[in-house]
Amino acid sequence: EVQLMESGGGLVQPGGSLRLSCAASGFTFSRYWMHWVRQAPGKGLVWVSRINSDGSSTTYADSVKGRFSISRDNAKNTLFLQMNSLRAEDTAVYYCARVALYGGPIDHWGQGTLVTVSS
Amino acid sequence: QLVLTQSPSASASLGASVKFTCTLSSGHSSYAIAWHQQQPEKGPRYLMKVYSDGSHTKGDGIPDRFSGSTSGDVRYLTISSVQSEDEADYYCQTWGTAMVFGGGTKLTVL
Repeated sequence: EVQLMESGGGLVQPGGSLRLSCAASGFTFSRYWMHWVRQAPGKGLVWVSRINSDGSSTTYADSVKGRFSISRDNAKNTLFLQMNSLRAEDTAVYYCARVALYGGPIDHWGQGTLVTVSS
Repeated sequence: QLVLTQSPSASASLGASVKFTCTLSSGHSSYAIAWHQQQPEKGPRYLMKVYSDGSHTKGDGIPDRFSGSTSGDVRYLTISSVQSEDEADYYCQTWGTAMVFGGGTKLTVL
């Protein structure tokens, strides 16, 4: 069974940093592209970032470019999101998501981890 | 720029059918989309892909009452015989050079 388990969320002050992790199991992690998607309270889903299977290529939404960094450790089946210079508008539940092999939509989601940016 | 447009809300009585729409912006009528369900206080769940030719492929374990279809630049998700557990938000999504989500439709089961 495919499982994605996020961790690392919490309360952080504006300007602070946080590192999210996503532990993957039940599939060959190193073969899949992975994404982060976030959802502000009461709002819809918004794509944040993606990384290819070997970690050599990354892409970011304009809203987080230069502040967030996605990475992965295929030996440990773990996806990361390093978030710096956090703003109030970054407050959201952050979901780790797997994309279908050979391209396509998200086909599995994690349960999410809440990040709150507030003083 | 690709935009996916969804109605904000829908309602259906228990056992009835409901049809959700996801409209692709001009020039993108050949795009496939995916549907995701998000029950209250839970993470999203992948339901299916819907192609421009009207065919669809469902995710593992998705009940038969969920189906997809197409008409021009509109992609549909139909739930036949709505159950109480179907009360949720439904999002469409496309992929490629950019991953885009529609605004979501909230289903209320009466």
